[in-house]
Amino acid sequence: QKEVEQDPGPLSVPEGAIVSLNCTYSNSAFQYFMWYRQYSRKGPELLMYTYSSGNKEDGRFTAQVDKSSKYISLFIRDSQPSDSATYLCAMRQGDRLAFGKGNQVVVIP
Amino acid sequence: IAGITQAPTSQILAAGRRMTLRCTQDMRHNAMYWYRQDLGLGLRLIHYSNTAGTTGKGEVPDGYSVSRANTDDFPLTLASAVPSQTSVYFCASSDSRGGYNEQFFGPGTRLTVL
Repeated sequence: QKEVEQDPGPLSVPEGAIVSLNCTYSNSAFQYFMWYRQYSRKGPELLMYTYSSGNKEDGRFTAQVDKSSKYISLFIRDSQPSDSATYLCAMRQGDRLAFGKGNQVVVIP
Repeated sequence: IAGITQAPTSQILAAGRRMTLRCTQDMRHNAMYWYRQDLGLGLRLIHYSNTAGTTGKGEVPDGYSVSRANTDDFPLTLASAVPSQTSVYFCASSDSRGGYNEQFFGPGTRLTVL
């Protein structure tokens, strides 16, 4: 079992819908939980990070961590065509990051 | 503008040839990384360096080598390229000494080995 599981299936939603993405992990030593966004033919860039269980909001984005279930989520409210990208979860252990495979999200106008 | 540069942007290479992908950062980050990204497999760590003069192996190091002679540069060398090394390669850097270790990524190098 990989340390970080993210179902890589693509997701198409109409503009204005809520996008829900999630990852599960197996390693209790992971400390920080992050979401990266990657536009086509670009490098990933950090979108949000959290440290403890609970919710963190940043505008239309909410990151949720449940350490007891080893489960993290990203919600995008009022999705826009500009949100179309691949979203990767990532978790820190020591000096490295473990990445999920990424979800390609397409927001249809 | 501060950040990471990679060269070349793309390359088509004959199998068996030697190739060096270049990566330079100007953020004075201690740590640097090389990843490859393949469809369905996500980002996989090839090699990393926590500080100038040291390197370490990641998840998929075979067929690749790196060096870290100074803080800013972290070249990746394919000694004898094979078609399975066709991929998009990303260099990243971070200040890994505390916190969440945000990694900053370069724009990538698209490599095709024929």
